[in-house]
Amino acid sequence: EPEVTQTPSHQVTQMGQEVILRCVPISNHLYFYWYRQILGQKVEFLVSFYNNEISEKSEIFDDQFSVERPDGSNFTLKIRSTKLEDSAMYFCASAGQGIEDTQYFGPGTRLTVL
Amino acid sequence: AQTVTQSQPEMSVQEAETVTLSCTYDTSESDYYLFWYKQPPSRQMILVIRQEAYKQQNATENRFSVNFQKAAKSFSLKISDSQLGDAAMYFCAYRVLDSNYQLIWGAGTKLIIKP
Repeated sequence: EPEVTQTPSHQVTQMGQEVILRCVPISNHLYFYWYRQILGQKVEFLVSFYNNEISEKSEIFDDQFSVERPDGSNFTLKIRSTKLEDSAMYFCASAGQGIEDTQYFGPGTRLTVL
Repeated sequence: AQTVTQSQPEMSVQEAETVTLSCTYDTSESDYYLFWYKQPPSRQMILVIRQEAYKQQNATENRFSVNFQKAAKSFSLKISDSQLGDAAMYFCAYRVLDSNYQLIWGAGTKLIIKP
């Protein structure tokens, strides 16, 4: 069964450093999302992406964040200058042909900012 | 603004018994989707079940079923014949019907299965 994959599974970085989190959505999906979950807290929406552009973003998704689909398969989240409070689990999700389709999640990347 | 509330931070159930997890939501929309996701210790988010608001029939997936009460804005998950592998965090989520279709999440319920 097709699945969303994410790399790395765990990323440790120093405050102020740039990180890129990578996701490979399900191959025929058209809608892509990033969410984050700070330990012990709710899952929060970051950004949605469709047709090679951001369709919606939350207040969390400030200028430090960017997303890209550099080729036909990868979907990346970049944090330019990480802060301690960026430490969280980051989930990528993709949804199929119809905008009402269910979102399927990757296994997540645990980001630890020291 | 839409909100999702899970009032049970933790629930426990004896193996093979039935447990119900509660979820309520607030919305002014008439058409939307509701989901239950499971997050085991591996922390992957796994879809358990989905309900379309326009459907009166409650969704079922094997041992998992929902009790969807649209007027009461309630969406509970019933797990029958609980198994040790069901131990996880369970999140209720609501799908906003606009251009971004983001999911709005509850705080989660930790389900403990007692052998």
